[in-house]
Amino acid sequence: EVQLVESGGGLARPGGSLRLSCAASGFTFSSYWMHWVRQGPAKGLVWVSRISSDGDTTSYAESVKGRFTVSRDNTRNTLYLHMDSLRAEDTAVYYCVRERGSPNGPNWFDPWGQGTLVTVSS
Amino acid sequence: SYELTQPPSVSVSPGQTARITCSGDVLAKNYAFWYRQNPGQAPILVIYKDNQRPPGIPARFSGSSSGATVTLTISGVQAEDEADYYCQSTDNSGVIFGGGTKLTVL
Repeated sequence: EVQLVESGGGLARPGGSLRLSCAASGFTFSSYWMHWVRQGPAKGLVWVSRISSDGDTTSYAESVKGRFTVSRDNTRNTLYLHMDSLRAEDTAVYYCVRERGSPNGPNWFDPWGQGTLVTVSS
Repeated sequence: SYELTQPPSVSVSPGQTARITCSGDVLAKNYAFWYRQNPGQAPILVIYKDNQRPPGIPARFSGSSSGATVTLTISGVQAEDEADYYCQSTDNSGVIFGGGTKLTVL
């Protein structure tokens, strides 16, 4: 069974840092691009970041560029999101998702992890 | 604001057909994908490439596309279909989502 399990969420102070992890199982992790998508309280889905299958290519939403860093360890089948300079508006459930489709698109997300809650508050 | 526009809510009675639209210029040239999110749960994919149904998704879910608008149709709506539904596509800046539609089964 394909599974994605996030961890690392919690309470952080404004300006603080957190590192999220996503443990993948049931598929060849090193063959897939991976993404992070977040959802603020009672809000919609927002794409955050993506990383290529080999980890060499990354991209970010403008709202997190320069503050968040996505990485992966294909030997541990784990995806990471390191979040610095956290702001109140970063408060959200963060989902780890596997990208499906072809390298040049179109691309969609399946499956999604259960999510991990990040709360930024003083 | 969202570059993909969905109605905030749609209501139908059990057994009726629900239609949820998603509009945006990018949809005229890019595929759309649909996700369903039950309360407190993660989204799941219900339609990909405008009208393809993943394994395990009931046949009552279908998708269609016309110009810059795509439509998710749920035939014979059941109580368990009450959820939030999101469309997704891509534009020059990357992945974009619609604002979501809450489907209420009366």
